[in-house]
Order: sequence, then C-alpha cells, then structure tokens
Amino acid sequence: AQSVAQPEDQVNVAEGNPLTVKCTYSVSGNPYLFWYVQYPNRGLQFLLKYITGDNLVKGSYGFEAEFNKSQTSFHLKKPSALVSDSALYFCASRYGNNRLAFGKGNQVVVIP
Amino acid sequence: DVKVTQSSRYLVKRTGEKVFLECVQDMDHENMFWYRQDPGLGLRLIYFSYDVKMKEKGDIPEGYSVSREKKERFSLILESASTNQTSMYLCASSSLMNTEAFFGQGTRLTVV
Repeated sequence: AQSVAQPEDQVNVAEGNPLTVKCTYSVSGNPYLFWYVQYPNRGLQFLLKYITGDNLVKGSYGFEAEFNKSQTSFHLKKPSALVSDSALYFCASRYGNNRLAFGKGNQVVVIP
Repeated sequence: DVKVTQSSRYLVKRTGEKVFLECVQDMDHENMFWYRQDPGLGLRLIYFSYDVKMKEKGDIPEGYSVSREKKERFSLILESASTNQTSMYLCASSSLMNTEAFFGQGTRLTVV
C-alpha cells in the first residue's frame, strides 16, 4: 500500500532558526512526492514536488525538500523560519490514477 | 492561476438532511477529488473522478455519493447527514499533465 508518515505531531522552532519537517514514504515504483501547507480555515497550498532528477527540490516561500531514496524520506526544510511559517504541513505521495495519499500533518509553531 | 471554488465556507445542517457540496474548477482539469479532513487523521479520499460521469470510490465512501455532469463541476452528496460527518471537506483538481493537485478553500460542515 502507498503511504506517507509524518512522525511528529508538532514542531516548535525559534524564529530565524532552521526548520525541518519530517516525512517518510512507502510506495512501490518511483515515488512522486509533494508538500503542501495549510493556514487556519483555508485549503491546502502546493509548496513543492519531487518527480525525478535532483534530490534537492526548491519550492515556494523559501522552502526546499531533500529526497533520500535509501532512507525513504522526503524532509521539508527552510534555512531561517519566519513567524508567518506557522501552519499545518502535509506530505503526500501519488498513487494509482493520480490519487494522493496524505500524511497526518505536522503543526509548525515558529516562536518569535 | 488555477482556481478551485467551493460553494460554501461554512454549513450547518440537521441530522437526516440531504446535503450538497459543490466544487468548480476553471482550468479544464480532468481529475477532481473530494477529501475529508479531521484532526489527527490528515486528509482521507472520499471519491475521485477522472472524467465526466466517471467516478471511483476512495478510502471512505460510505454515506457519500458524487456527481460529475460537467467537466468543471464535481458535487459531493451526503445522502442523509449524520453527526459523524461533521468535518472539513476539501475539493481538489489536477490535470493529466501536472501531477500536483490544487485545492479549494474548504467547507466546514457541522451536522447537528
């Protein structure tokens, strides 16, 4: 079965410090992986995706993610967190006929 | 920019009512999705449509049905609303070319 796991419920980080949100995946074949962000009472916004190619993927708002095949991970990173980055982050993988399987989400809290 | 519009941000319905949630996308996308979001459970796929009048069940289709009579519109129907269907409902669309999905702003449904 295709699945992604986000092992932490909440990530707290001080403003200006590096931010990492973890994701591991379990998919058959070549993985198509995504990160989305959700602000309160809003829909999900696409941040970035890994399809093939470079293991380091750059996305919106200064975020990037590193694909690691040996560790089956796709961690989201930002070098310097902002208070406005406080939100819910979802990792997802594509399977079947363009379906997406989502992790449970990580609440990120950036402390001023 | 892709726009996915859900007809209501907030809805309050009574137990037993038939409820319609509407979603419209303006980018001629082939795929449309309905997800349900609950705290700690992430997003779960209810139904998926890959073409007009075509649909597939997702992970939690019980108590729901869908309709796609036109390419741009995908409706979710709660045949007889129950309190355990109180949730945030998210519509999304994607094309066959692009792998990422684009989401609407969500409908927060409360069944009393």
